[in-house]
Amino acid sequence: GIQVEQSPPDLILQEGANSTLRCNFSDSVNNLQWFHQNPWGQLINLFYIPSGTKQNGRLSATTVATERYSLLYISSSQTTDSGVYFCAVRGGATNKLIFGTGTLLAVQP
Amino acid sequence: DVKVTQSSRYLVKRTGEKVFLECVQDMDHENMFWYRQDPGLGLRLIYFSYDVKMKEKGDIPEGYSVSREKKERFSLILESASTNQTSMYLCASSFVDRSNNSPLHFGNGTRLTVT
Repeated sequence: GIQVEQSPPDLILQEGANSTLRCNFSDSVNNLQWFHQNPWGQLINLFYIPSGTKQNGRLSATTVATERYSLLYISSSQTTDSGVYFCAVRGGATNKLIFGTGTLLAVQP
Repeated sequence: DVKVTQSSRYLVKRTGEKVFLECVQDMDHENMFWYRQDPGLGLRLIYFSYDVKMKEKGDIPEGYSVSREKKERFSLILESASTNQTSMYLCASSFVDRSNNSPLHFGNGTRLTVT
């Protein structure tokens, strides 16, 4: 099956800093999503982005499907951005969404 | 806005008990999924369903079963709970489309502890 790798595994930032999270996947995909899991365990859908670039406020994401990676950019980070960021992909005929192991982000005041 | 509701936020059960985790979605989604999340292992798919009364095994179905009697409801069943089933359980739903590119929407999760 498709392998999904995320980097870095964890990241500590000072408030106001920018960061880039990466997701590599091993095969072609037709669905890629970025999620933020807050400290209470809730998974929030950030982007649905099988290809191209999208922006939502301080967050943006780019997926280069031909090169099998996606990037999540966080600008001017805030303490509320803390949590785990997951990339998940779906490819071929399967309905299964395969998750990476996540990037744990801690934003310090 | 899509709403996926899991009936319990926290559950504590004893070894050997039968446990039901309930999930309801209000967007008429065909697909529904159960995942479990464990430290260092990420989210792993237990079972999914693409229609009423239809189900397919995910990556770790052992020790679990599911029920989908109505389109909006997908239940995860632990026939005889064991301590290694202590975990965070997450339900999700999505539309079906031919290209498999509908986004998933998750509930808030149920943190199950088996003692």
